[in-house]
Amino acid sequence: DTGVSQNPRHKITKRGQNVTFRCDPISEHNRLYWYRQTLGQGPEFLTYFQNEAQLEKSRLLSDRFSAERPKGSFSTLEIQRTEQGDSAMYLCASSFGGPVQEPQYFGPGTRLTVL
Amino acid sequence: AQKVTQAQTEISVVEKEDVTLDCVYETRDTTYYLFWYKQPPSGELVFLIRRNSFDEQNEISGRYSWNFQKSTSSFNFTITASQVVDSAVYFCALSELSGTSYGKLTFGQGTILTVHP
Repeated sequence: DTGVSQNPRHKITKRGQNVTFRCDPISEHNRLYWYRQTLGQGPEFLTYFQNEAQLEKSRLLSDRFSAERPKGSFSTLEIQRTEQGDSAMYLCASSFGGPVQEPQYFGPGTRLTVL
Repeated sequence: AQKVTQAQTEISVVEKEDVTLDCVYETRDTTYYLFWYKQPPSGELVFLIRRNSFDEQNEISGRYSWNFQKSTSSFNFTITASQVVDSAVYFCALSELSGTSYGKLTFGQGTILTVHP
């Protein structure tokens, strides 16, 4: 399977705990994106990387959120001191970066439930 | 700031009916891309089509067709002879090409399409 993969698929945690999600993009893609989707809504942009550089962060990304993409390969998204409002589906997508806007291909997501 | 509006929250049709999903967008950029994605019950977003702002030609792919009208800032999606497998949530999305917004997708709220046998 050469698509975008995400782990874990589901995560249940208690309020105040830290969680970390992983995304493995399509291998030849240099751009990687994180989005968050709540029930009944479209995905909302969180952050993206060109290779290992984090180029943009949404205002939605509070100080409790941090993302990394070491060596421009896989990426991790960490949420510290989780809150119930963090419960959502976290989606990762990847694409080629260049002068033309290539389509983003999405992974299956990580569903986070904060109790 | 960019914005995408999908006014139809839910649409219900009977199999073999044609159905059109509406999408209206707002942007200050003259160069941008529009996309449609499908999210079936399994949850994974599936890319359907990309269109850039300089290409207003309509496109047909099998039972799917797309009508892009820059004058009305609309990018509508039609499914001809709908099938039960078309049941899903459909999202329209916009990507601007200015500054650091390059690549970021702004999604509409989605339209839930249910096709009954």
